[in-house]
Amino acid sequence: GENVGLHLPTLSVQEGDNSIINCAYSNSASDYFIWYKQESGKGPQFIIDIRSNMDKRQGQRVTVLLNKTVKHLSLQIAATQPGDSAVYFCAEKQDSSYKLIFGSGTRLLVRP
Amino acid sequence: EADIYQTPRYLVIGTGKKITLECSQTMGHDKMYWYQQDPGMELHLIHYSYGVNSTEKGDLSSESTVSRIRTEHFPLTLESARPSHTSQYLCASSARGLLTNNEQFFGPGTRLTVL
Repeated sequence: GENVGLHLPTLSVQEGDNSIINCAYSNSASDYFIWYKQESGKGPQFIIDIRSNMDKRQGQRVTVLLNKTVKHLSLQIAATQPGDSAVYFCAEKQDSSYKLIFGSGTRLLVRP
Repeated sequence: EADIYQTPRYLVIGTGKKITLECSQTMGHDKMYWYQQDPGMELHLIHYSYGVNSTEKGDLSSESTVSRIRTEHFPLTLESARPSHTSQYLCASSARGLLTNNEQFFGPGTRLTVL
């Protein structure tokens, strides 16, 4: 049914600042993690991924950090731009399954 | 841009109508998925397919059905639409191989409103 996203956490940052979006994942057996970006009216787009044998991976302006001890994943965006405004989802997966398990999203608002 | 397409993008329909949401991908992926997403909320898997003639129900119960007669095509059907079916429906696909990273590529979604 139709629900309003009243429970979606929101991060508001100034343009040019760095953003950190956090995610707590549920399954200690997960082997693979992805961050997706979803703009309004569009499907999720892949940003960056990381496997469980790594604790950090860098892309263009983005870094993903994985802390398996506390089951925590974070996405860091450097020099945040207005085009980064979107909802960000983390997802986890086990190698024994094809299914991705999505977390609740975080809305990123970039102030000009 | 991922080569995965969904039609229609928007659909407003009356209660009781039968509808089919189309999803096609040109990447040759054998895995395909349907998710349901309410605005600003997380994605819930409602159906998936490992390949032709394979379909499975996902984690969220849904009154919809799917078919996979061709690799590239994974339509979703609602026999009798109800207002509770109002939501966004997202289709995705991924390549074969359990031990690959299996990134899922998403289509743009179909926003369904049932009056």
